[in-house]
Amino acid sequence: DAKTTQPPSMDCAEGRAANLPCNHSTISGNEYVYWYRQIHSQGPQYIIHGLKNNETNEMASLIITEDRKSSTLILPHATLRDTAVYYCIVRVYGGATNKLIFGTGTLLAVQP
Amino acid sequence: DAEITQSPRHKITETGRQVTLACHQTWNHNNMFWYRQDLGHGLRLIHYSYGVQDTNKGEVSDGYSVSRSNTEDLPLTLESAASSQTSVYFCASSPPGQDYGYTFGSGTRLTVV
Repeated sequence: DAKTTQPPSMDCAEGRAANLPCNHSTISGNEYVYWYRQIHSQGPQYIIHGLKNNETNEMASLIITEDRKSSTLILPHATLRDTAVYYCIVRVYGGATNKLIFGTGTLLAVQP
Repeated sequence: DAEITQSPRHKITETGRQVTLACHQTWNHNNMFWYRQDLGHGLRLIHYSYGVQDTNKGEVSDGYSVSRSNTEDLPLTLESAASSQTSVYFCASSPPGQDYGYTFGSGTRLTVV
């Protein structure tokens, strides 16, 4: 599975959009991009995933560049409850390799 | 509602003892996973299973074992607990295939003294 690079920490003002970048320059054509977050002491929570197209759900939007070498997770209106570690993960499709390998993620601190 | 539960939430044990951490899910998911989380290391995969009687080693499997006798449960056993195994342990499950995220349990905090 391709490796990802994320900044270790970011700040965001409450009510503003939080844009979390992720670099995955060695991603393969059959690898998906997944985002999870972990709020202090809790189990990680699935946010969103995508392959090529931009995706949006009730939690966030995922923007993947055309060459798929990087992506951005967007939280449109960050709240204090969004303070968490955000993990960007890429993985190959298929049951034999259907496991998530976590990096160290980005600690997003939403400031009042 | 379907859920994934871990027990116990907290445990203190002595070096050298055998310890088993429970993970039970009612999602009927084929895939189950165990991770440990330590400061500075993020989440690391210990063992995983794609179905009954299937088990696989992850990144940090030494000193741990799992067994999968049914769909709902994947207990994690520390054969002889060591202080280096003091950690927070998370269990997760998912259906097969790519388009599904994992569902994680609330974690077990294990202290080996």
